[in-house]
Amino acid sequence: VELVESGGGLVKPGGSLRLSCEASGFNFRTFGMNWVRQAPGKGLEWVSSIGSGSSSIYYADSVKGRFTISRDNAQNSLFLQMNSLRAEDTAVYYCARDSWVVSNGFDSWGQGTLVTVSS
Amino acid sequence: DIQMTQSPSSLYASVGDRVTITCRASQGIRSDLAWYQQKPGEAPKRLIYAASTLEGGVPSRFSGSGSGTEFTLTITSLHPTDFATYYCLQHNTYPRTFGQGTKVEIK
Repeated sequence: VELVESGGGLVKPGGSLRLSCEASGFNFRTFGMNWVRQAPGKGLEWVSSIGSGSSSIYYADSVKGRFTISRDNAQNSLFLQMNSLRAEDTAVYYCARDSWVVSNGFDSWGQGTLVTVSS
Repeated sequence: DIQMTQSPSSLYASVGDRVTITCRASQGIRSDLAWYQQKPGEAPKRLIYAASTLEGGVPSRFSGSGSGTEFTLTITSLHPTDFATYYCLQHNTYPRTFGQGTKVEIK
């Protein structure tokens, strides 16, 4: 299993960024996927989840209405479109795979991509 | 939303010590809890899932217990590689919620 995030960078407040997570080594279309972030020096915060077929989508209140999670099963890719970015969105963003049994947690993580929101 | 209260937030311990970390859920989550270890600059790594099932390849000095609202991660004999930050995460309902983390430092 390999998850590789990309798309992070420096963006001004109010700007947008699209993160990608390329998956390999497993049947991507059969697993739920997630985004989790970690602000500098802080703990882990769940951001969003999407089911295998994109029919189930969930967001943290802190990003609802500003972030959109999506996936392309044909391209083995997960995305996070981030709009109206704020300083408090500055964090390392990880993509993580759901276990086959969803209630068993996230069993694989990418290395993360850093998003910095600053003027 | 389910709140996960993790304690302590940090602890100092020596190699060979027994360490116990607790997570308390604000409502019952059955056994839908996982424990993660994170070292600086690295992604989290799952140690335990379903409250007490050890991830493959994780040393047996790690163990988890509990169900409902009270959960415990125990390291029976601290190894130098165990100095890290540990998080619990509930997978019972959305939003998923992490504990605040416990940093295990060298005494």
